[in-house]
Amino acid sequence: SQKIEQNSEALNIQEGKTATLTCNYTNYSPAYLQWYRQDPGRGPVFLLLIRENEKEKRKERLKVTFDTTLKQSLFHITASQPADSATYLCALIYNQGGKLIFGQGTELSVKP
Amino acid sequence: GAGVSQTPSNKVTEKGKYVELRCDPISGHTALYWYRQSLGQGPEFLIYFQGTGAADDSGLPNDRFFAVRPEGSVSTLKIQRTERGDSAVYLCASSLNRDTEAFFGQGTRLTVV
Repeated sequence: SQKIEQNSEALNIQEGKTATLTCNYTNYSPAYLQWYRQDPGRGPVFLLLIRENEKEKRKERLKVTFDTTLKQSLFHITASQPADSATYLCALIYNQGGKLIFGQGTELSVKP
Repeated sequence: GAGVSQTPSNKVTEKGKYVELRCDPISGHTALYWYRQSLGQGPEFLIYFQGTGAADDSGLPNDRFFAVRPEGSVSTLKIQRTERGDSAVYLCASSLNRDTEAFFGQGTRLTVV
């Protein structure tokens, strides 16, 4: 079955630095890959979507890359702020079926 | 309302009882998802509806779990003979269609004692 792996260890970085989170998947590539943010006690909130035929997507301080050869997506937050501290989830959709499958998430902590 | 609404927000039930969890998606969204999330884990897929029909129910753990969406809007997740292992946050999400962003509700925290 398809596996999705995100950094299991929490990521601690200093304010102002760039945070880079990784999402790796096995087997075949998804049609779409999405990144969500989740704060404690709340549902995930959508951040960015990237399609199979796209290499990179940007939105303000966020950047997502998608490498179907490496079977990997990288999620970058530039000029990080303490308010960026949260858990970040990647999610995949495959052409067959269409369900959204999540990784386990990576907890990011940005220290002032 | 403007967002996905889930009720109740918290539910405590005794082992062996039946529970129903409700999800009101965003109006006009055809896709509806149910997930289960345990502490420190990502959302675990349960079932996905396109309109009234279950497009994929492969994530339902066993036949004690069932979900319906009779009119293509509100959905109910039903759990029979609850077990302590069913305790988790149950999340519902909806999207306009399958390749657009999903909007999540706040979740229902289910505790089976």
